[in-house]
Amino acid sequence: QQPVQSPQAVILREGEDAVINCSSSKALYSVHWYRQKHGEAPVFLMILLKGGEQKGHEKISASFNEKKQQSSLYLTASQLSYSGTYFCGTEIWDNDMRFGAGTRLTVKP
Amino acid sequence: NAGVTQTPKFQVLKTGQSMTLQCAQDMNHEYMSWYRQDPGMGLRLIHYSVGAGITDQGEVPNGYNVSRSTTEDFPLRLLSAAPSQTSVYFCASSRSRVRWDTIYFGEGSWLTVV
Repeated sequence: QQPVQSPQAVILREGEDAVINCSSSKALYSVHWYRQKHGEAPVFLMILLKGGEQKGHEKISASFNEKKQQSSLYLTASQLSYSGTYFCGTEIWDNDMRFGAGTRLTVKP
Repeated sequence: NAGVTQTPKFQVLKTGQSMTLQCAQDMNHEYMSWYRQDPGMGLRLIHYSVGAGITDQGEVPNGYNVSRSTTEDFPLRLLSAAPSQTSVYFCASSRSRVRWDTIYFGEGSWLTVV
């Protein structure tokens, strides 16, 4: 019942773009995105609610396709600080939040 | 501005021992939860609580107990530690229903069972 993330890992050069996908077999109320640096706690990026809203923060944005139970995280003009593991979280039952296995993003100079 | 505080940060246990991971939040959040993180598995939900006196099981509850006697505290008890419980444990909290609100994570507790 965990959402499925793809790709599992991606390596970029600074300035390149990346897309991380998250899909679920269950109807979703919302999708959360978090980033985790090695040895640290996950940190919130954004929440997307039902309705196909696209949210963004600077060069990181995301979309939520309610019909397909999918969300995508878009990182544009990547920076070294974007490196880390990205997790999507989906609420499959009331307050029962499940996370995907993560996508490891490495940005190189 | 402590947020979510977990203790201990590191712990080594022998098989069969019991212990409690402490978690406290100072944000008056209703929702609290425990996750374990293993390589390649992401974060897996152990137990969660939507308020004092209310707890529920997540994805991997076996071998763990929780209680929520106050809004602030949500301890996780390992009843009889097993090597399979070697993991990193994260406590988390959210103001209300997670569909709408940010989840704040503690810094993690590294547990090794030998």
